[in-house]
Order: sequence, then C-alpha cells, then structure tokens
Amino acid sequence: AQTVTQSQPEMSVQEAETVTLSCTYDTSESDYYLFWYKQPPSRQMILVIRQEAYKQQNATENRFSVNFQKAAKSFSLKISDSQLGDAAMYFCAYRSSGAGSYQLTFGKGTKLSVIP
Amino acid sequence: DTGVSQDPRHKITKRGQNVTFRCDPISEHNRLYWYRQTLGQGPEFLTYFQNEAQLEKSRLLSDRFSAERPKGSFSTLEIQRTEQGDSAMYLCASSDRDEQYFGPGTRLTVT
Repeated sequence: AQTVTQSQPEMSVQEAETVTLSCTYDTSESDYYLFWYKQPPSRQMILVIRQEAYKQQNATENRFSVNFQKAAKSFSLKISDSQLGDAAMYFCAYRSSGAGSYQLTFGKGTKLSVIP
Repeated sequence: DTGVSQDPRHKITKRGQNVTFRCDPISEHNRLYWYRQTLGQGPEFLTYFQNEAQLEKSRLLSDRFSAERPKGSFSTLEIQRTEQGDSAMYLCASSDRDEQYFGPGTRLTVT
C-alpha cells in the first residue's frame, strides 16, 4: 500500500518570503500522480498543483512550484512571495495511475501560518 | 457550475441514531468519492462510484456504513447506529479525469 508522509506538522513564513513544504511517499509503482491540496480554515479543499510521475519537468502554477525527485520519492511544494491568503493546511496526496485506482492517499498535512 | 455541494454542513446526533448525508457532484463528473477526515489527519478514502456503480470500498467502511448513487447523479452516505468514533468531517469529491474537486464537507458530531 502506498503511504504519504509530511514531516512538518506546522510551518510559518513571513509575508512576501518563500517557504518549502516537504512530502515523501512510498510506492512500488512507476507511474502515478502527486497532488498538493490547500484547505483554508473552515473552507473546502482546493487543488494547488499536480505532477505526473512520468514527466521530468517540475510543475508550476503561478507562485506555486514543486520539486519532484522520483528516485528519492520526494515531492516538495515551494510557495514564493507568500501572501496572507496562503495560510491553510496543505496536504500532499498520491494517486495510482492504474485503471480503476482513483482513490487519493493523503499525508497528515502541514499547517502553514503567514506572518504579516 | 457551482462546484460540489454537500448537505447538511453540520450534523449533531446522539449515539445509536442513524444519519444520512447527501453529495451533489459537479454535473458532468462521472466519478464520485467519499472521504473521512478526523482532527489533525488527512482525508481517508471510504468509497468510490463510477456513474451509479460502487467500484471500490475501503475497509474503513464498516457494515454500518452504506453509500448509494442512484442514476449516477447525487450520492448519499448513511451511517447506522452511530458511535462516538464516527465523529469526523465527511468529504465528497467528484472528477471526470485525474483531478478531484472537493465539497465543503459535512461535520458529524456524535454525542
């Protein structure tokens, strides 16, 4: 079974600075998807960024980028120019690419605080 | 398109009572998922539908839990004989391809 580990329960960053959230995973599969989701307080979870394992290029979405290291099974999220609205729980998630395997496996999350 | 909606948003029930939650997915999405999230944890997969067929169930889904998706549209999740350990946020998500879109969740408190 796949597992996802987020080793940082809490992180803080100064507004306008850069922060990196860590995620490692364990799998025996060669093709899969990785996601970062954001869950603001009392609000619904939204997708931040996704990465397909077969793509070597790291995904980027505006101020959000990932560092995907397939051999190390590492998938970190970098947030540049942090804003107050970035404060939230961030979850790393894994999904197999196999047919019929659509469930997401989540880590325990990292609570990000943004300091004005 | 208003996204995934869930009803009710909050439910307080007494131990032993039955509860039912509803999820309305994004209209063109054929896949629907239920997850459970407890405090301080990430969501855990419960079950998955493709159209009206329930194709995958987690071992977390005990026989007190049942989910349906009649006609492949909205879905319901029923918990019978609720226990205090059932207190959690129940999340619904839908997808048509690789990305799952989540609803706001139903927070269940069992007293």
